[in-house]
Amino acid sequence: AQSVTQPDIHITVSEGASLELRCNYSYGATPYLFWYVQSPGQGLQLLLKYFSGDTLVQGIKGFEAEFKRSQSSFNLRKPSVHWSDAAEYFCAVGARGSQGNLIFGKGTKLSVKP
Amino acid sequence: DVKVTQSSRYLVKRTGEKVFLECVQDMDHENMFWYRQDPGLGLRLIYFSYDVKMKEKGDIPEGYSVSREKKERFSLILESASTNQTSMYLCATTESKVPYEQYFGPGTRLTVT
Repeated sequence: AQSVTQPDIHITVSEGASLELRCNYSYGATPYLFWYVQSPGQGLQLLLKYFSGDTLVQGIKGFEAEFKRSQSSFNLRKPSVHWSDAAEYFCAVGARGSQGNLIFGKGTKLSVKP
Repeated sequence: DVKVTQSSRYLVKRTGEKVFLECVQDMDHENMFWYRQDPGLGLRLIYFSYDVKMKEKGDIPEGYSVSREKKERFSLILESASTNQTSMYLCATTESKVPYEQYFGPGTRLTVT
């Protein structure tokens, strides 16, 4: 069965510092991988996705993520965090034939210190 | 741009009431989903539908039902609302082809008193 683990429930970084949010998945074949962001009281917005090709993917708002098959990971990075990046971040995995079902991690809440 | 709308942003209902949450999408997507989101538990799938009049149970269907009479509309029904159904409810849609990127509505925060 597929599963997604986000080991960090809450992370605090200083504005301007770099960020890495961790995501590990469990799936037998090559998965489709996603990162979503949720601002307080809002729905989820797609940051980036991976389904084939280059393992380093670029997303919106200056985020990037790298798919590492050997580590079953899809970590999200940003070189310099802005105060507006404070939000909750969700990693998700999907599979061919799943009718669009995604398995979501429990989320990582990001706080940004001035 | 895909647009997914939900009928209410905030809703307050009393225990025992029948509650309807509606979701409408404008992109002709085949698949639609209902999730509830609670702190520390992430998103949990309640029901999904991959075609009109089709529905599949998700991980936590108890206490809920759904209706999909038209392709663009997917309704979540709480037959008799209870306080443990106080939550954020999120609707999402996706095409029926890879990579299955889901598009979310803004959510409905339901409080049952």
